Parts: sequence; C-alpha cells; structure tokens
Amino acid sequence: GAVVSQHPSRVICKSGTSVKIECRSLDFQATTMFWYRQFPKQSLMLMATSNEGSKATYEQGVEKDKFLINHASLTLSTLTVTSAHPEDSSFYICSATTTGSEQYFGPGTRLTVT
Amino acid sequence: GQSLEQPSEVTAVEGAIVQINCTYQTSGFYGLSWYQQHDGGAPTFLSYNALDGLEETGRFSSFLSRSDSYGYLLLQELQMKDSASYFCAQGDTGFQKLVFGTGTRLLVSP
Repeated sequence: GAVVSQHPSRVICKSGTSVKIECRSLDFQATTMFWYRQFPKQSLMLMATSNEGSKATYEQGVEKDKFLINHASLTLSTLTVTSAHPEDSSFYICSATTTGSEQYFGPGTRLTVT
Repeated sequence: GQSLEQPSEVTAVEGAIVQINCTYQTSGFYGLSWYQQHDGGAPTFLSYNALDGLEETGRFSSFLSRSDSYGYLLLQELQMKDSASYFCAQGDTGFQKLVFGTGTRLLVSP
C-alpha cells in the first residue's frame, strides 16, 4: 500500500513554456502533499507544502508565481512550472502523507528545459 | 534555516559494516528519519527515531542522541545493491515538513 505516482516521469520543454507535473496518491487519501526539487548530486529541497482545498505554503526563496501548486482533491496535487528556463531543469519529487504517517514519495519527474 | 550535516561520501566493501553520521539543529526537532535513494529514483524510507536509542530493522539500524543532536545509520552485511545515497531528515512534527540532510553517497565494492 501507500503508493504515490507522478506523471510525467520525464519531460523536455522549451524555454518560456509551462509544464504541469501531477502527483497522485493511489491507494490512500493524502491530507498533505509536499513538493521537492533536487539538483544533480544534491539533497532534496522542500519547495512547498500543499493541503487539500487550501493555498500552498511556499518555502523561503521559492517563487509562488512561478511554481503554481494546486491540491484539488485528497489524491491529486499538481505543480506547474510557468515560463520555464534552463535553470529550472531539475528532478521534481512529490510526497504524500496522512496525519501522523510517514511521507510516501513519488518516483520523481525529470524536467529538462532547453 | 535548519541544516543537517552528513559526510559526502563513504566507501566500503561487501560484507562490511558502515556508519553514516548526521548532526542536526535542535530548533523544532521532532524526530530523525533516514532515506535511501538510488540514482534517478525516489527516496525510500529506512528508519525513524523519535527517542534516544537504537532502532533496528533488519540489516539497517538507526541511532539517535538528542543531547548530542546527533544520529547515525548503521548498515550491516553490506551488499552491492546498498550503493546509493543516504539522507537523514529532520521533521518538525512527526513526518511533516521534512528537512533533508546534505546526503552521503555510499559506494560498496566487491
């Protein structure tokens, strides 16, 4: 149990375009979802915390207008990278949790902006 | 912000025992988790300590000392498949809002 999926697994987009990444909890209802970014050979950095039905809470230094997060249901959160630039190329990982449980991580999405 | 420090790389041979250390900041500390991540993959949960002492899960054990703001992950009977990156992570309330450590790359050789 406790499976989290992400779609797409890899995406290449052109500079200036937007890309949407989906995160789904497949067999449980996630009260909270988290979005992380990981650059090569670096640690996971928390970008934002998303609770169903409310606005996401962004970490310091993360542009909320650039990284749009929507958590419309207890099983789906989306991250939209708007006006993507090459420096946004990274590995984006989501996780999902219910109250008091561990975080269950998705397989990640590799974004390449050309 | 919070920071958790780990050695950048550890090397060992198959069958050996290796310890990966993690020092953390006490501000908002609730518990220490450990994750394994293979290249290009998702982090997978290994162990969690909320209280001082040792938690054992098969070949993996994790230790926490709150008074020293320190923990470690112990891997026994190393196998080639254990070559991966290992991260400690500090949670503010249970598993909410994890802050990850700098990460340790473990290389296991024959």
